[in-house]
Formats: sequence, C-alpha cells, structure tokens
Amino acid sequence: GQQVQQSPASLVLQEGENAELQCNFSTSLNSMQWFYQRPGGSLVSLFYNPSGTKQSGRLTSTTVIKERRSSLHISSSQTTDSGTYLCARTGGYKVVFGSGTRLLVSP
Amino acid sequence: GALVYQYPRRTICKSGTSMRMECQAVGFQATSVAWYRQSPQKTFELIALSTVNSAIKYEQNFTQEKFPISHPNLSFSSMTVLNAYLEDRGLYLCGARGGASAETLYFGSGTRLTVL
Repeated sequence: GQQVQQSPASLVLQEGENAELQCNFSTSLNSMQWFYQRPGGSLVSLFYNPSGTKQSGRLTSTTVIKERRSSLHISSSQTTDSGTYLCARTGGYKVVFGSGTRLLVSP
Repeated sequence: GALVYQYPRRTICKSGTSMRMECQAVGFQATSVAWYRQSPQKTFELIALSTVNSAIKYEQNFTQEKFPISHPNLSFSSMTVLNAYLEDRGLYLCGARGGASAETLYFGSGTRLTVL
C-alpha cells in the first residue's frame, strides 16, 4: 500500500480562508519534508520538519512522530498559494512522496 | 547556499531515440543522488538511488538498461532515457543530499520530457 498518504487530494478555497493539509505515514517516521510544486514542475522546499511545529510566514507545519503524521496549515490563503503541495518521508536515502494536494484559491 | 542545477529544462525527442539529463550540485557534496519521474497525473516515483561508494540501486519497474545513471563525483550526476517511448514522458527530477542524516533534500528544477 501507499507509504505516504495525503489528504485532501484537492481543495478549493476562497481567498482569505485557511487550509489544512494532512500527511500520514504507514511506516515509522524519521523525518519528513513539505514541498510546493510550481506549475512548471520544479519543487520548492517549504519545511524540513522531523518533529514539532515550524512556522514560516502564513505557513505552519506540525509533525507528530509517534502518530506518524504531519500537517501543513496555510492561513489567510492567497491566489498565489494555488498549486500542488507534496509531503515526503525523507529519512534515510530513500524518499517517498505522497500523491499531493492540489490547492486552488480563487479571488 | 546549496543548489542543484538540472538541465535541460525541457526536451522533445522522437519515439525510439534517447535523451540525457544532468544535475549539478553546488554548495554541498552530493553523497547521494536520486532520480524521480512524475508521469502525467501521478506523483513522483523513485527510479534509482545513487550513493557514493555503493552500487546504483534501481526500483522495481526501472532498469539500468533503460535508465543508465552516472554519478562520477560528489557534484555531478546524469541519467539517460534510452529508447524513449510515450510512456516515458513526464517530469524527471533529481534530488541530492549530503548524506543520510543530512537535513534537507535539494531538488533540481526538473527536465520535462515529451516523446513524439
């Protein structure tokens, strides 16, 4: 089965609304990373977050290792936040990506 | 800072021909380089992982005969898609890190392959 499960698969918001993206891992979690995939395909690292909570601007990532899950919270969403968000289990050499959440923020 | 340059950004090749893509790590030593493919409407699949002083390890459904990889030093890696066909189209991404315990992965910007 899938080692990294993301939800929701897609999300549509009005500008200003908050978003909560979830990532669940079927195996033990050493570390994980959140990425934003630009429309052209390139990946932007948002957070390396093996545990605890990290914040950067309107983005907050919380990882609970013993529960094998991580969340990405986007507050006061903007149209420029639209795109695909990917989480990945990055412990060790092998990286496993989730299937992504496609976010659309409309004005 | 640490960066990974990947080129070309996009390429078009005729069915049955081959194309090569390259990645250059800048600002850190890429002890491991992984190559991924994102097929249309899918997430990233690991093709193979190349680690210094270890054999290149290919995932199921990917072979060295189809996707030969070179990782000659700690700053450079290349992968070739041999005899490309329609099912090989997609975005190919290289990711590098400075060791298993290195904090973050650094990704190139990707090579988008179109097969005619």
